Amino acid sequence: QQQVKQSPQSLIVQKGGISIINCAYENTAFDYFPWYQQFPGKGPALLIAIRPDVSEKKEGRFTISFNKSAKQFSLHIMDSQPGDSATYFCAAGQETSGSRLTFGEGTQLTVNP
Amino acid sequence: DAGVIQSPRHEVTEMGQEVTLRCKPISGHDYLFWYRQTMMRGLELLIYFNNNVPIDDSGMPEDRFSAKMPNASFSTLKIQPSEPRDSAVYFCASRCYEQYFGPGTRLTVT
Repeated sequence: QQQVKQSPQSLIVQKGGISIINCAYENTAFDYFPWYQQFPGKGPALLIAIRPDVSEKKEGRFTISFNKSAKQFSLHIMDSQPGDSATYFCAAGQETSGSRLTFGEGTQLTVNP
Repeated sequence: DAGVIQSPRHEVTEMGQEVTLRCKPISGHDYLFWYRQTMMRGLELLIYFNNNVPIDDSGMPEDRFSAKMPNASFSTLKIQPSEPRDSAVYFCASRCYEQYFGPGTRLTVT
């Protein structure tokens, strides 16, 4: 029940296109859903996060969509750029307990010029 | 803020040697996490601390692994003795409201 399923495993998008990465969770107690971006040789960096009181959060070209009833959330990258090529991880946790995050398996995004 | 600081950034050692990885969390963060990342297993949580107290060490693979947090600004992950299968990138992360990762230590055991 602690798992977070992420798809696709890899994604290739043309420059200017929309990249969409999906995650699904089972634990209904999860109330905090961050996305991390990791470049080769670097640590994962917090990109954007959402809490279930809203269904969507947008920061620049990055948008999280959240569907509480379906227990799914997704990351949309608008106008994808080659510099967005990285591995993306979704995660879920219980903010009130301040405990561990459960991470998805990661999606390797390649944006072709 | 300098972010989470890890040292060394790279470590190459021979099988059987002791390895100590170090982490300085972001000041004011009360949670500290140690992760291991490999191609095969992805990002694995090894152990985490709250206010310097270990909360969950169920991810520590074997008794060869140990972690300590003697104070709020320092933690170590020790592997003794090290084995080639321990080769991975080890990340430390700290959290107050948001969780931030360090740059990692790339460990190679030959």
